[in-house]
Amino acid sequence: GENVEQHPSTLSVQEGDSAVIKCTYSDSASNYFPWYKQELGKRPQLIIDIRSNVGEKKDQRIAVTLNKTAKHFSLHITETQPEDSAVYFCAASGDAGGTSYGKLTFGQGTILTVHP
Amino acid sequence: DGGITQSPKYLFRKEGQNVTLSCEQNLNHDAMYWYRQDPGQGLRLIYYSQIVNDFQKGDIAEGYSVSREKKESFPLTVTSAQKNPTAFYLCASRMGASGRSYNEQFFGPGTRLTVL
Repeated sequence: GENVEQHPSTLSVQEGDSAVIKCTYSDSASNYFPWYKQELGKRPQLIIDIRSNVGEKKDQRIAVTLNKTAKHFSLHITETQPEDSAVYFCAASGDAGGTSYGKLTFGQGTILTVHP
Repeated sequence: DGGITQSPKYLFRKEGQNVTLSCEQNLNHDAMYWYRQDPGQGLRLIYYSQIVNDFQKGDIAEGYSVSREKKESFPLTVTSAQKNPTAFYLCASRMGASGRSYNEQFFGPGTRLTVL
């Protein structure tokens, strides 16, 4: 099955700096890669996602890049703010007909702390 | 994601007892999922259902059971066979094979289960 590795496990930045979180996946059939943000005690919320036919996607201060050949994807947050502090999870999923269809395999999470 | 509800928010169980966690969605989604989250860890898939009256084991199904008799409901029973059930349980749903965002999973608010 799919295996997703996420690094770093903790990340501390100053307000205004950029933050980068990286994930690698094992199943070359995976083609959907979402990123979720989870605040303490709350539900995960989708912040951005990318499909394998796209190399990069941006939404305001958040961007995700995908390298299919190397099987890794990254989350980039620019101009970080204290309210960006949370746990971030990457995940991977496959398409219909594959063993990972409809199933998300999550990374272990990154605790991001943005200091004012 | 306000269309997915979980109850109760907090649940306390004595050792040897079975308990059932409720998950309901009014999003008309085909697929539903149960995840377990332990402190400092990612989400692990317990069971999932792609369609009514059908479900599959996830990565950590031992000690759990589910049913999917109605499209909008996917209850999870934590049995006495689950040796370490204390965790945060998250339910999610996904639209299905059609639609632009067919991969995206929406999460409920979670149930925190504690074994006394």
